[in-house]
Amino acid sequence: DAGVTQSPTHLIKTRGQQVTLRCSPKSGHDTVSWYQQALGQGPQFIFQYYEEEERQRGNFPDRFSGHQFPNYSSELNVNALLLGDSALYLCASSLGTQGRSAQHFGDGTRLSIL
Amino acid sequence: GENVEQHPSTLSVQEGDSAVIKCTYSDSASNYFPWYKQELGKRPQLIIDIRSNVGEKKDQRIAVTLNKTAKHFSLHITETQPEDSAVYFCAVHRNFNKFYFGSGTKLNVKP
Repeated sequence: DAGVTQSPTHLIKTRGQQVTLRCSPKSGHDTVSWYQQALGQGPQFIFQYYEEEERQRGNFPDRFSGHQFPNYSSELNVNALLLGDSALYLCASSLGTQGRSAQHFGDGTRLSIL
Repeated sequence: GENVEQHPSTLSVQEGDSAVIKCTYSDSASNYFPWYKQELGKRPQLIIDIRSNVGEKKDQRIAVTLNKTAKHFSLHITETQPEDSAVYFCAVHRNFNKFYFGSGTKLNVKP
């Protein structure tokens, strides 16, 4: 049973560039949430996708956008990268949107902005 | 939004002792409370969770208690082992699978 997989594992970009991160949910899950985890802090909710639509959004600017595909996989796009965007980006999947299923995390993508 | 406070930020215990980490939240509508363990460089892993209709849940050496009136819940680890050393995060689910995380507790179990 495949868990949540994310790619790439590491990424180095420069300020102003754009980046796309990818996530495949755990088998049987249909909801994908994205989090940003800065060093030494807890994950911060970016947004959630369900049925190919953004359902919930945290306190992140429009530079952060996403997409969910019919197979439930998801992408996180960040435009106009800033130094402060350097972090571990975690994807979590679950079943449904009512909190009845636990979230399972991927290993994350570590994004470094130079 | 939800305000989740987690204490302590660091905790050092001797192997075999118990460890307790506490989280408080602000929204009484919150209904699901998971705890995650994150080892250095690894993904957060769910270790135990509790729903708002239950006051306590136990799984071997790990237990979680929930006080809905006071809006706090706690993680209890008994007979700690060096492999329990990690950062522990509490989380609060409000609605529609939107989770708010605490700031984390770094647990160090000394052999």
